[in-house]
Amino acid sequence: KQEVTQIPAALSVPEGENLVLNCSFTDSAIYNLQWFRQDPGKGLTSLLLIQSSQREQTSGRLNASLDKSSGRSTLYIAASQPGDSATYLCAVRGEYSSASKIIFGSGTRLSIRP
Amino acid sequence: DGGITQSPKYLFRKEGQNVTLSCEQNLNHDAMYWYRQDPGQGLRLIYYSQIVNDFQKGDIAEGYSVSREKKESFPLTVTSAQKNPTAFYLCASIKDKSSYNEQFFGPGTRLTVL
Repeated sequence: KQEVTQIPAALSVPEGENLVLNCSFTDSAIYNLQWFRQDPGKGLTSLLLIQSSQREQTSGRLNASLDKSSGRSTLYIAASQPGDSATYLCAVRGEYSSASKIIFGSGTRLSIRP
Repeated sequence: DGGITQSPKYLFRKEGQNVTLSCEQNLNHDAMYWYRQDPGQGLRLIYYSQIVNDFQKGDIAEGYSVSREKKESFPLTVTSAQKNPTAFYLCASIKDKSSYNEQFFGPGTRLTVL
């Protein structure tokens, strides 16, 4: 059974720092991995989607990497800003599980101090 | 504007009542999902549907029911059998017959039992 873990559960850094959020998964047979952002009381906003055949994806100040063999993905945020404060979740879609089942991590709550 | 809408934003239920949460999408997506989110936890899958008139139970389907009579709509009913329904409910969709498969979310419905 696929399990997705995000450590740490919370992170606080000063504005301007580069930072890395971690996501690990137990079954490397994945179809894709997606990173989301969630603001308090809101739905999830998609940030980046990495297919199983890809190693990384970039969008603006965000870069997501994927290492299937080690069961890890990282989300790198460059030059952090107070507006980046939110909860970040990763989600894994299994390659051989029921076609559309997606497993989420519990998220990392990020706080950027001005 | 293409997207996913959920209504109502806030819902209050008395003990013993059934309530229905609405989810509509105009993205022409094939698969639709319902998740439940509790404070400090990740998303847990309630039900999902890959095509019209077909749906599968997720990890926590007990006390919930769904229907998929139209491609655009996937309503969730929280029945009186659900013992602890107070939570944030999120609807999502995917264009399943696509090589990209990015999952999109609605804004959520917060359900409170009085």
